[in-house]
Amino acid sequence: QQQVKQSPQSLIVQKGGISIINCAYENTAFDYFPWYQQFPGKGPALLIAIRPDVSEKKEGRFTISFNKSAKQFSLHIMDSQPGDSATYFCAASKGTYKYIFGTGTRLKVLA
Amino acid sequence: GAVVSQHPSWVICKSGTSVKIECRSLDFQATTMFWYRQFPKQSLMLMATSNEGSKATYEQGVEKDKFLINHASLTLSTLTVTSAHPEDSSFYICSAGNLDRGVYGYTFGSGTRLTVV
Repeated sequence: QQQVKQSPQSLIVQKGGISIINCAYENTAFDYFPWYQQFPGKGPALLIAIRPDVSEKKEGRFTISFNKSAKQFSLHIMDSQPGDSATYFCAASKGTYKYIFGTGTRLKVLA
Repeated sequence: GAVVSQHPSWVICKSGTSVKIECRSLDFQATTMFWYRQFPKQSLMLMATSNEGSKATYEQGVEKDKFLINHASLTLSTLTVTSAHPEDSSFYICSAGNLDRGVYGYTFGSGTRLTVV
């Protein structure tokens, strides 16, 4: 019940394309769903986050879509750029408690 | 705002020695800090949660006597790997947040690459 399942494990997208990463959770008590971006040798950086009272949140080229009934949420990267090539982690938490991380998606954007 | 500094960024130590990693919140008071370990191409594995002024809470399977965590102030937490062995070689990352502000988004440090030889 504490798992967050993330897919795909890896993703290759052409420059200008849309990158889509999906996550699913079981624990309905989770109320905070962030996405983190990590470059090799660096710590994760918060990209965007959503709470379950909204179905979508957009910040620049990054959009989270949230489906509460399906217990799924996804990250969309519009107009993907080579500089977006990184590993992306979804996470879920209940209140201010510890995060449960997904397994990560390695994104490569081809120039 | 919300900057977390982690030091050192990389360290090499001899087997059997101890090494200390520092995690500092530079522009906010961190009531809670988390320590993670990450193996290559894998997700973050939570090692322990530390709250300022109290003992750290370790995740199941993490040796508390080997990975000593101290959170003595609202801006500093340290992780000491005692009697390090080659299998302790890994990427260690801290994250911090201020729960009193109701801020859910924890900020991560830049990580420390530990190599035990």
